[in-house]
Amino acid sequence: ETGVTQSPTHLIKTRGQQVTLRCSSQSGHNTVSWYQQALGQGPQFIFQYYREEENGRGNFPPRFSGLQFPNYSSELNVNALELDDSALYLCASSDERTYYGYTFGSGTRLTVV
Amino acid sequence: AQSVSQHNHHVILSEAASLELGCNYSYGGTVNLFWYVQYPGQHLQLLLKYFSGDPLVKGIKGFEAEFIKSKFSFNLRKPSVQWSDTAEYFCAVNARRRDDKIIFGKGTRLHILP
Repeated sequence: ETGVTQSPTHLIKTRGQQVTLRCSSQSGHNTVSWYQQALGQGPQFIFQYYREEENGRGNFPPRFSGLQFPNYSSELNVNALELDDSALYLCASSDERTYYGYTFGSGTRLTVV
Repeated sequence: AQSVSQHNHHVILSEAASLELGCNYSYGGTVNLFWYVQYPGQHLQLLLKYFSGDPLVKGIKGFEAEFIKSKFSFNLRKPSVQWSDTAEYFCAVNARRRDDKIIFGKGTRLHILP
């Protein structure tokens, strides 16, 4: 059983809308990463937060933004949704020793219509 | 640029067959290597990981992987697969420094015939 929980599990939005996805990390995990997994693809790194500050970003436009809170929760916000944003969004957390590997949540399946 | 390449996109085997999934990476500096598995309808789970030391790493469910530094490879093996190994397998890498992100390969979909 994963220590990372994500909500909601499924979501349908209309093109142009905004969406907020939520993640609750394991206690003590001050590093959280968000990934986008399109159908048939590997997870693509969106960004990472460490102690509430963004410390790495992948090749995603600024309309993808995030927040990390002191209580080990975090959010992924996507503005002006596009059809290609339809994917499974994964949250992963770790303590500082990310070389030990991340713990992944089950993901949020976002469908943009 | 950092990248991970998995050679096989879709593999079909019969039960008891031996398995080897290829993975090569391109990453500057010292790396950590991972294999994750995603069973149908489930979340990503860590199968095994390599940090240092013995290049032959044993993971859960009878899987092992060998790190060959000269070839930038980290292939996953299992001597005898089971139907329950049907899943998608992802090779991943990050740098051996604090809080580096993980880069994933595109995955290999493994289908085991009963």
